[in-house]
Amino acid sequence: AQSVTQPDIHITVSEGASLELRCNYSYGATPYLFWYVQSPGQGLQLLLKYFSGDTLVQGIKGFEAEFKRSQSSFNLRKPSVHWSDAAEYFCAVGALEYGNKLVFGAGTILRVKS
Amino acid sequence: GAVVSQHPSRVICKSGTSVKIECRSLDFQATTMFWYRQFPKQSLMLMATSNEGSKATYEQGVEKDKFLINHASLTLSTLTVTSAHPEDSSFYICSARDSPVNEQFFGPGTRLTVL
Repeated sequence: AQSVTQPDIHITVSEGASLELRCNYSYGATPYLFWYVQSPGQGLQLLLKYFSGDTLVQGIKGFEAEFKRSQSSFNLRKPSVHWSDAAEYFCAVGALEYGNKLVFGAGTILRVKS
Repeated sequence: GAVVSQHPSRVICKSGTSVKIECRSLDFQATTMFWYRQFPKQSLMLMATSNEGSKATYEQGVEKDKFLINHASLTLSTLTVTSAHPEDSSFYICSARDSPVNEQFFGPGTRLTVL
């Protein structure tokens, strides 16, 4: 069965510090991988996506993620966090073979200390 | 970028009534739309896949007679929660797939509260 694991429910970092949010997946097909951000009471905004090619992908707002097939991981990184980055982050996996339905991780809530 | 709207953004209704939520792709045609629900402090769970001109495909455990989905055009899908009960209170989010891009674009969500 397809599954996505985000092992950290909450993460707190200081403003200006680096950030890494973890995502591991279990999938029976070639995955498409996504990171979304959600502010309270809002919908989801796509940060970045991986379909194929270069395994290091750049996204909006200074985020990047690296696809590591051997580790079944797609961790999200940002070198310097801003207070406005405080939100909930979701990793998601889809595949053409499964009708492009997305399976979401449980989410990681990011808090930023000033 | 592609924009998806939802209406209404919030709705409060009495138990037993039906509520319709609209999902529109504003600047692209979406042959496939997805409906999710999100309980407080939880992730998104896919309810159903809506294909234009055909019946929706529901995920296991989702009652198709309770959550009616209609995808009558390439830019509009509707979710009707029939005979709503307090346990149906949730955040409902739709997404629309832009086929050439093979990416889902999400609406802003609808907060349903059933009293």
